[in-house]
Amino acid sequence: DGGITQSPKYLFRKEGQNVTLSCEQNLNHDAMYWYRQDPGQGLRLIYYSQIVNDFQKGDIAEGYSVSREKKESFPLTVTSAQKNPTAFYLCASKDSGLRTGELFFGEGSRLTVL
Amino acid sequence: GQQVMQIPQYQHVQEGEDFTTYCNSSTTLSNIQWYKQRPGGHPVFLIQLVKSGEVKKQKRLTFQFGEAKKNSSLHITATQTTDVGTYFCAGTQGGKLIFGQGTELSVKP
Repeated sequence: DGGITQSPKYLFRKEGQNVTLSCEQNLNHDAMYWYRQDPGQGLRLIYYSQIVNDFQKGDIAEGYSVSREKKESFPLTVTSAQKNPTAFYLCASKDSGLRTGELFFGEGSRLTVL
Repeated sequence: GQQVMQIPQYQHVQEGEDFTTYCNSSTTLSNIQWYKQRPGGHPVFLIQLVKSGEVKKQKRLTFQFGEAKKNSSLHITATQTTDVGTYFCAGTQGGKLIFGQGTELSVKP
């Protein structure tokens, strides 16, 4: 079945450590996105990529980094520079040719910094 | 900055009652999307509205896009326990998709 796979589902990290969250899609979508979700807030865009080997900062990119070496993969690294990294992270993709422009989301990764 | 405001933040209803959530933007939106996120789950696309004054229905759900394309609403008729979750609107402003804060709906059987 086509979809988006995020891993790990839960992750615990000590302060000062970098962690990388995986996002893989087999939907053949060009565009991929990373969002952060905090309680009582909407989804905030961290980074997005419209095409392989290209990506742009979203609204809250500080303390995060990404790469897009393959169409299927868009990993997110939460660096030690991110001051408040505990959150629920959602990866999404979009078919640029689809009229509705709907986002397809993975199941999310919940990061807790101890 | 660019914002899409969504109210209320929480809504508790008795099963069978109606429910409405509202989204407002200070600027004109190209379109608006609605998503549902079940507890512990991820957002799932419900619908997109594009035209001024557009109204779309999905069974007990009615979606509206305002005449000025600055506001939208989602109305659920006769809620059921399966409607529980957080409903998000997301408006496109200047090519960017901006999410509202979401309305968390709980339904008491």
